[in-house]
Amino acid sequence: NAGVTQTPKFRVLKTGQSMTLLCAQDMNHEYMYWYRQDPGMGLRLIHYSVGEGTTAKGEVPDGYNVSRLKKQNFLLGLESAAPSQTSVYFCASSYSPSLNTEAFFGQGTRLTVV
Amino acid sequence: AQSVAQPEDQVNVAEGNPLTVKCTYSVSGNPYLFWYVQYPNRGLQFLLKYITGDNLVKGSYGFEAEFNKSQTSFHLKKPSALVSDSALYFCAVRDDSGAGSYQLTFGKGTKLSVIP
Repeated sequence: NAGVTQTPKFRVLKTGQSMTLLCAQDMNHEYMYWYRQDPGMGLRLIHYSVGEGTTAKGEVPDGYNVSRLKKQNFLLGLESAAPSQTSVYFCASSYSPSLNTEAFFGQGTRLTVV
Repeated sequence: AQSVAQPEDQVNVAEGNPLTVKCTYSVSGNPYLFWYVQYPNRGLQFLLKYITGDNLVKGSYGFEAEFNKSQTSFHLKKPSALVSDSALYFCAVRDDSGAGSYQLTFGKGTKLSVIP
C-alpha cells in the first residue's frame, strides 16, 4: 500500500529553469494539496484540488502552477525557478466528501534553487 | 480566515515526565482540529483529531489532546514522555464554514526534545 508518493525526492535547479513535481496517491482520495515547508514557517499551502480537473490557490501560489488531469495525480510546476523557492515540498491527500478526515502526506521533495 | 498558533518553538521535557505541546486556533465556524508529527527527513504522520463530541481525544503512540472551546485551544499531551517522542509536532485546523473549509491550515510547529 504505497499511499502518497512524491517524485523526485531531491532536485537542484538553476535559477530560471523549470521543473514538475509529481504526486501520486492510490487511496482514491478526492482532495489533494501541495505545501511548502520552510524553517520557522511551518507548512504553507500552495495550491489544492477538490477533484479531478479542479484546482484552487492556497496561501502562497505565486510562481507555481498545478494540474489535476487524473484523480490520482497532482502535479506542481515551477516555470522559472527562483532561489526563494528553495524549500521542502509536501503533497497530501484526503478523502471526500467529509471535511473531517485527516490528510495523508508524502515523504517530501527537497528542492534547491541556485 | 482560519489560523493556528503554536506559541512554543521548542519544548524540552525529561523522559518519564508528562509533556504538553500547546495549540490555539481561530475559525469562523466550527473547528476540525488535527495533530501531526514529523520525524527528521520524513513526511507528516497523523496522530489524532477532534471533530465533535468528547473534548478529550486519544490518538496514536499514547498521545491525547484536550479541546477547549472557550479558550480556543487544542493542547497535545502525553502522561509519560519517551526519548523516541522527540520530533516536530504540528497542529492544524480546518473551518467547517466558508471558502476556507477545504483548506487545512498548519501552525509553525513545535520541536519536542525528550531528554534521557
